[in-house]
Order: sequence, then structure tokens, then C-alpha cells
Amino acid sequence: GAVVSQHPSWVICKSGTSVKIECRSLDFQATTMFWYRQFPKQSLMLMATSNEGSKATYEQGVEKDKFLINHASLTLSTLTVTSAHPEDSSFYICSAGAEAKNIQYFGAGTRLSVL
Amino acid sequence: DQQVKQNSPSLSVQEGRISILNCDYTNSMFDYFLWYKKYPAEGPTFLISISSIKDKNEDGRFTVFLNKSAKHLSLHIVPSQPGDSAVYFCAASDGYGNKLVFGAGTILRVKS
Repeated sequence: GAVVSQHPSWVICKSGTSVKIECRSLDFQATTMFWYRQFPKQSLMLMATSNEGSKATYEQGVEKDKFLINHASLTLSTLTVTSAHPEDSSFYICSAGAEAKNIQYFGAGTRLSVL
Repeated sequence: DQQVKQNSPSLSVQEGRISILNCDYTNSMFDYFLWYKKYPAEGPTFLISISSIKDKNEDGRFTVFLNKSAKHLSLHIVPSQPGDSAVYFCAASDGYGNKLVFGAGTILRVKS
């Protein structure tokens, strides 16, 4: 099956620092990747759609300068949380659309804790 | 505006019985629907999907039913197993490769 790897799985950082999260499609090429955020006991909220070789499309209310997304290749997208603050603490999950399938496969998620 | 709704926050079922999880949507442009299973602190795992041109799709113990006129879909799990205990999310998209809109999720507990 399609495998999506997300790294790191857990990161703790100090307020004001930046954190980069990587999302890789291991056995397929993904022209589109998606970044979600999940608060405790809530659903997945789409933050942005990442397209290979072009700028990401952000959902309403998501600060593009705070959540930098880069999709440099067909197998890698990165999310950088810049100048992180405690309110950015959350569970971030990426997904990738498999070719010829209208299905998104998800990474295992990254737990971000900002102190 | 919640376009995908899972009105039951939780469901408890006895092992071996049928689990029925429900999902309603409001956007008539949705043409593809998916069910995902999620454990705490993990990413969702794809279970089964259905296109709007079908009204049923079956894969092993999992069957998804779609009623377009009612804008309603359901996931049937039979027989239910303790390992099925997880959060189940319904999701919908309005085009190939387009973003997914998720419901709030339903916690399924299968008792042995």
C-alpha cells in the first residue's frame, strides 16, 4: 500500500524557535500533499494544500508566513512553524494523494509542544 | 458551516455484532467519500471509499452505503472486533485529488 512517512513524531521546542516537519511519500509520487492540524478531541482541520513546484494554497485563517510550506519534489513536503508559540502546540498531520487514486494517505503525525 | 457531519460522538457495540457509523453531508458537489480509522497520536488509516456513482462498496468486513438523495452515508462493520475500537472519520471531496472535508469523528468501542 501507499506509505507516507512523517518526521519527527514528537518535538518539544522553546517559544520563539522554528520547527520543521517533513512529510515523505515513500513508494509513490505525490503531486499534491496536504497539511492538517488536530486539536484534542476535534476533527482534522486542513491548513494548506501543497503542490509540487508551486506555492501552497492556504485555508482561510491560516497564516502563511507562520506556517511555511515547501514542496520541492514529488515525494517531499515540509511544514515549518516559524517563531513558535505555546498556542501552536498541536498535532500536525500530513497526507499525500496517490496517483490514479482519489485517496489520501496519511503520515503518523507530529506532536508539537512549545514551551 | 459543517459540510460533513457525524452526529454520534460515540458508539458502543458488543463483539461479533454489527457496528453502524453514520455520516451526513450538505454539499451536493461532493462526489467521493472516504472512511478513515484513527488511533490516538497516530495518523488516520484509509479504510474504504465510495464514488457518488455507486450506492454500495464492500471490502471484507467493511461496507459503505451511500444515499445521495438523503446526502447520507454509513459504514457497516460486521462482525465487529475489539481491534476495531478507534475513532472513525468520514470525509468527502468534490473532485479528483481535491481536499478532503472531515466530519468530527465517532468513537467506536467494541466490547468483548
